[in-house]
Amino acid sequence: QSALTQPPSASGSPGQSVTISCTGTHNDVGSYNYVSWYQQHPGKAPRLMIYEVNKRPSGVPDRFSGSKSGNTASLTVSGLQAEDEADYYCSSFAGVNNLAVFGGGTKLTVL
Amino acid sequence: EVQLVESGGGLVQPGGSLRLACAASAFIVSDGYMSWVRQAPGKGLEWVSVIYPTGDTYYADSVKGRFTISRDNFKNTLYLQMNSLKAEDTAVYYCARDSAGVAAPEYWGQGTLVTVSS
Repeated sequence: QSALTQPPSASGSPGQSVTISCTGTHNDVGSYNYVSWYQQHPGKAPRLMIYEVNKRPSGVPDRFSGSKSGNTASLTVSGLQAEDEADYYCSSFAGVNNLAVFGGGTKLTVL
Repeated sequence: EVQLVESGGGLVQPGGSLRLACAASAFIVSDGYMSWVRQAPGKGLEWVSVIYPTGDTYYADSVKGRFTISRDNFKNTLYLQMNSLKAEDTAVYYCARDSAGVAAPEYWGQGTLVTVSS
């Protein structure tokens, strides 16, 4: 299974918005609306932030939003806060072996 | 409160075996889509295996034929039997629960470290 492509880093100042892209293929992101996003702080387990492209689990601030166009999904974090500084991973169901695939991760820095 | 607690990690020699366990509380393991996801030191996340409520199991190509996912309904525990371990299997292994089967686990354990080295 091939990994999805994310930029290694992204940054923004407090209060600004930042968008992280996640590019796959017609075999994963392009074929399924099962795209999810995870936040991971150092030494901690991943936390689900977005599922099914644009849905937020209970407890996730509405500053986090997701979208998809073709083979590319995006995570937008609005009104950046210091605690948003973390690694972010996208994932998509890929059909192959009925498993999903992850992106390589994006380190978000709040300047 | 939903909790997942992994155990069983440790140091093992190449070619050796290890069994990880993930004890669940406040939900029934067999009711959800239960996964193992791993993260090599300093690297990204990788799906390893999933077991459906039906009992169907699926594996990443990198572990197929070597790892076996299973569950014990009486103990409400998920397992990962890992055989023929390789250095590249070194990682923190997380168990995770996806209630709806949309490939998006909402509950994760704290992880257990597996180190394969001589």
